[in-house]
Amino acid sequence: ELKVEQNPLFLSMQEGKNYTIYCNYSTTSDRLYWYRQDPGKSLESLFVLLSNGAVKQEGRLMASLDTKARLSTLHITAAVHDLSATYFCAVDNNNDMRFGAGTRLTVKP
Amino acid sequence: DAEITQSPRHKITETGRQVTLACHQTWNHNNMFWYRQDLGHGLRLIHYSYGVQDTNKGEVSDGYSVSRSNTEDLPLTLESAASSQTSVYFCASSPTSGSYNEQFFGPGTRLTVL
Repeated sequence: ELKVEQNPLFLSMQEGKNYTIYCNYSTTSDRLYWYRQDPGKSLESLFVLLSNGAVKQEGRLMASLDTKARLSTLHITAAVHDLSATYFCAVDNNNDMRFGAGTRLTVKP
Repeated sequence: DAEITQSPRHKITETGRQVTLACHQTWNHNNMFWYRQDLGHGLRLIHYSYGVQDTNKGEVSDGYSVSRSNTEDLPLTLESAASSQTSVYFCASSPTSGSYNEQFFGPGTRLTVL
């Protein structure tokens, strides 16, 4: 059974700092997605990673995928308050999408 | 603009009642999904459909059913609502299965079962 683990589950960081969120998964897959969710809102797609070694960047966020290690990372550079949200990774196992529990990020001034 | 909508956005019901949550998408996507979101569990897949007349069980399908009579709609029915089904429900859709299956999510329905 496919399991997806994110860590940390809670992350409080100061503006300007860097940090990485980790997403480990238990079975072979080369399709991984990162989503953002603001409180009370729906999920917004951030990145789609479709192959080993894929790296995508958007603003202060960069996501990467290592299918051999079954690991994806979401790196935050020079955090700003607007990045405060919950971030989910999801692994696609033939349309059976499994989500991590989410990382609630709070960026403090 | 194409979109995905859910109704109602909020629903309060009583234990034992039948409840149906609607999901409608205008992207003409073949794939549609229902998830529930509970604190500490992320999103868990309830049912999904690859096209008209196709339905499949997901990770947490007990107590739920879906039907797909057209491309645009995938209603989710709780046959006999239970308090454990209090949750936020999200519908999603994606294009025909292939190498790229990004899912697009609806705004969610908050269901409370008393």
